[in-house]
Amino acid sequence: NAGVTQTPKFRVLKTGQSMTLLCAQDMNHEYMYWYRQDPGMGLRLIHYSVGEGTTAKGEVPDGYNVSRLKKQNFLLGLESAAPSQTSVYFCASSYEGLAGGAVTQYFGPGTRLTVL
Amino acid sequence: GQQVMQIPQYQHVQEGEDFTTYCNSSTTLSNIQWYKQRPGGHPVFLIQLVKSGEVKKQKRLTFQFGEAKKNSSLHITATQTTDVGTYFCAGRAGANNLFFGTGTRLTVIP
Repeated sequence: NAGVTQTPKFRVLKTGQSMTLLCAQDMNHEYMYWYRQDPGMGLRLIHYSVGEGTTAKGEVPDGYNVSRLKKQNFLLGLESAAPSQTSVYFCASSYEGLAGGAVTQYFGPGTRLTVL
Repeated sequence: GQQVMQIPQYQHVQEGEDFTTYCNSSTTLSNIQWYKQRPGGHPVFLIQLVKSGEVKKQKRLTFQFGEAKKNSSLHITATQTTDVGTYFCAGRAGANNLFFGTGTRLTVIP
């Protein structure tokens, strides 16, 4: 099993450009999440999905959109990138949602995005 | 909104010394999780605590959940160079999402 994979690993964008980050998991998890990690601020939840075809906003959703067309994939889009979106982006997945019992989140390796 | 504060932000210890990081929430938590992130890596789940006053051990790591379920701690006995990384707590209140602490970056000096 590859677990959770993310593409690309690195990306540099100019302000105003768009891009899509892809997250894939092969563990048949129902729940998937996108986080951003900034120095001194821990991980903040951007959007999440409780199943195929569903998405929901997290703590910092502005400037991002997501889609979950297939159970194994969760896409994060930036329509018009801004320097404030420079960050490391982590995708995670879990068997059950956060309202369930013991939930382990499995994280991908991350995508380092720089917006100039 | 819910906040999870973690202290200290950085900790440098000599190999063999003990290390503790503390996590405090502004609201009562239903459970708390701990993750470790190695430099350049991704967070890896360590443990989850659910019960008030719960204490769990993993070899040299001891995790505690406060009686009021608003704070937690991770204590490492006799640190080793393999313990280097950033330790995050992540708390959840009710059905809300996980809120991660700011992390404690541990450096172990050989």
